[in-house]
Amino acid sequence: DQQVKQNSPSLSVQEGRISILNCDYTNSMFDYFLWYKKYPAEGPTFLISISSIKDKNEDGRFTVFLNKSAKHLSLHIVPSQPGDSAVYFCAASEKAMGGSEKLVFGKGMKLTVNP
Amino acid sequence: AAGVIQSPRHLIKEKRETATLKCYPIPRHDTVYWYQQGPGQDPQFLISFYEKMQSDKGSIPDRFSAQQFSDYHSELNMSSLELGDSALYFCASSTRFTGEETQYFGPGTRLLVL
Repeated sequence: DQQVKQNSPSLSVQEGRISILNCDYTNSMFDYFLWYKKYPAEGPTFLISISSIKDKNEDGRFTVFLNKSAKHLSLHIVPSQPGDSAVYFCAASEKAMGGSEKLVFGKGMKLTVNP
Repeated sequence: AAGVIQSPRHLIKEKRETATLKCYPIPRHDTVYWYQQGPGQDPQFLISFYEKMQSDKGSIPDRFSAQQFSDYHSELNMSSLELGDSALYFCASSTRFTGEETQYFGPGTRLLVL
């Protein structure tokens, strides 16, 4: 059962426009949410995160919104640039029994920004 | 800034062989995580260590073991390799000191079992 869902496998946008990547989750125990960007043959690169006590976090062109009641978060990239083209993973963090934060990932979404 | 280092980057083994993957966390990070990403799949949590002690286990096969050493580097030991073990293995590190345990990932080790 997929606890973190990225229902759209891909998104294509024009350079300069806004990219909106969506993510839904089912586990209400998740307390921290992260977005990672991944290129082929590389490890996930951390982009931005949000704690469950907040509803918005902004870092430059990237903004993450969290709607806890809907168990939904989204990543907004504005303006989108061709270099943003990559696979984006939504991840949720749950405090495991041993105290570490186990990440649960969505399936990823391929973003293509066209020049 | 220093990142997570993993070695080797690529590894080819035959069935029933053993493999050892190494991870060097970001300096002053106290927690190491291992994830496995199969072809077309999302990364799956395997195991984690905090201050050199095993912290949590995920979907790690009994054929696999791992440890974290005094210098905080970690090794994932895989024995009796099977074809299905072919995957990308990521190590990530974090620190509890800041209160927000963002995990930073290494470049991964691509394991191919023939």
